[in-house]
Amino acid sequence: NAGVTQTPKFQVLKTGQSMTLQCAQDMNHEYMSWYRQDPGMGLRLIHYSVGAGITDQGEVPNGYNVSRSTTEDFPLRLLSAAPSQTSVYFCASSDQREGAYEQYFGPGTRLTVT
Amino acid sequence: QQQVKQSPQSLIVQKGGISIINCAYENTAFDYFPWYQQFPGKGPALLIAIRPDVSEKKEGRFTISFNKSAKQFSLHIMDSQPGDSATYFCAASIGGSYIPTFGRGTSLIVHP
Repeated sequence: NAGVTQTPKFQVLKTGQSMTLQCAQDMNHEYMSWYRQDPGMGLRLIHYSVGAGITDQGEVPNGYNVSRSTTEDFPLRLLSAAPSQTSVYFCASSDQREGAYEQYFGPGTRLTVT
Repeated sequence: QQQVKQSPQSLIVQKGGISIINCAYENTAFDYFPWYQQFPGKGPALLIAIRPDVSEKKEGRFTISFNKSAKQFSLHIMDSQPGDSATYFCAASIGGSYIPTFGRGTSLIVHP
């Protein structure tokens, strides 16, 4: 199993550009989520999905859109990039372990918005 | 409002020493407390987890201590090694929830 994969690994955007961060998992997990990681702020939840066709907002959803058409894929769209969206983005899928849910994280996408 | 407070933000330890990272939570409904380890350039990965029905859980050099009455839990890394240098996140969740609440992370550096 490849686990959770993310592309691209690095990306530089200009302010106002749009792009999609790709995320895929091959573990047949129902639950997937997107986080951003900023220094001193930890992992902040952007959007999450409980299954194909169902998504919901997390703590910091503004400026981002998601969709979940299949169990495997959960892309994150930046509509109009802003410098405040410079961050490292992690996709994760969740599976039950010892009666609770364990997060499996992808390797991340480092995004710089100039 | 930070539901899980983690300290310190950064920690420097000599090889062979004990690293201690502390977390405090507010929501008494939390019943699952995992720790995640993140190496530079990688995504976080589950390291060890505990439930509140036990006060301590040990896996190799890593131990979680849990104090339910104080609403605190901590990660102890015994005989710390340079390879343990990473960012550590504590987290808490309610059993049926697939979205944990994360602490802000601790950057650990172990000097050789």
